[in-house]
Amino acid sequence: GENVEQHPSTLSVQEGDSAVIKCTYSDSASNYFPWYKQELGKRPQLIIDIRSNVGEKKDQRIAVTLNKTAKHFSLHITETQPEDSAVYFCAASINGNQFYFGTGTSLTVIP
Amino acid sequence: EAQVTQNPRYLITVTGKKLTVTCSQNMNHEYMSWYRQDPGLGLRQIYYSMNVEVTDKGDVPEGYKVSRKEKRNFPLILESPSPNQTSLYFCASSPIGGWDRTQETQYFGPGTRLLVL
Repeated sequence: GENVEQHPSTLSVQEGDSAVIKCTYSDSASNYFPWYKQELGKRPQLIIDIRSNVGEKKDQRIAVTLNKTAKHFSLHITETQPEDSAVYFCAASINGNQFYFGTGTSLTVIP
Repeated sequence: EAQVTQNPRYLITVTGKKLTVTCSQNMNHEYMSWYRQDPGLGLRQIYYSMNVEVTDKGDVPEGYKVSRKEKRNFPLILESPSPNQTSLYFCASSPIGGWDRTQETQYFGPGTRLLVL
């Protein structure tokens, strides 16, 4: 089955700096890649997603890039704020049916 | 209010005692799924359902059963729980199964924390 690897496992940045989280996947048939944010004690919430026919997608301070050839995709958060502190998960899916998640990145934004 | 609900939210049980965790959504979503979350392992999919009476195994289905008799409900059944099933369980739903998804994709329930002694 699909294998999704996520790095780094922890990330600390100064407020206002950028944060980048990277994921790789193994199954070239995967075509849907969502990112979720999970605050402490809360449920995961979708923050952005990208499909394989698109190389980049942006939503305000958040962007995701996808390199199908290299089978990796990345989450970029610019102008980080303390409320961005959370655990972020990437996932890969074939046609949005079965989902494979990365192991998560704990992001801390230092005021 | 549109939501996914799970019950119970917390459960302590003993090895071998059958239990059911309920999941219900009021958004008329076709797709529903169960995940378990363990420290350092992220979220792992247990089962998913594309529609009523249609269920498929996820990545870690062993020891679990599901049913989808109604569109809104997707219970998770542990016939004989074991300590390695101690975990945080999330149910999720989304509007449309398959490729054609909306921005929101999966809505997660609040989670059920299970301890098996």
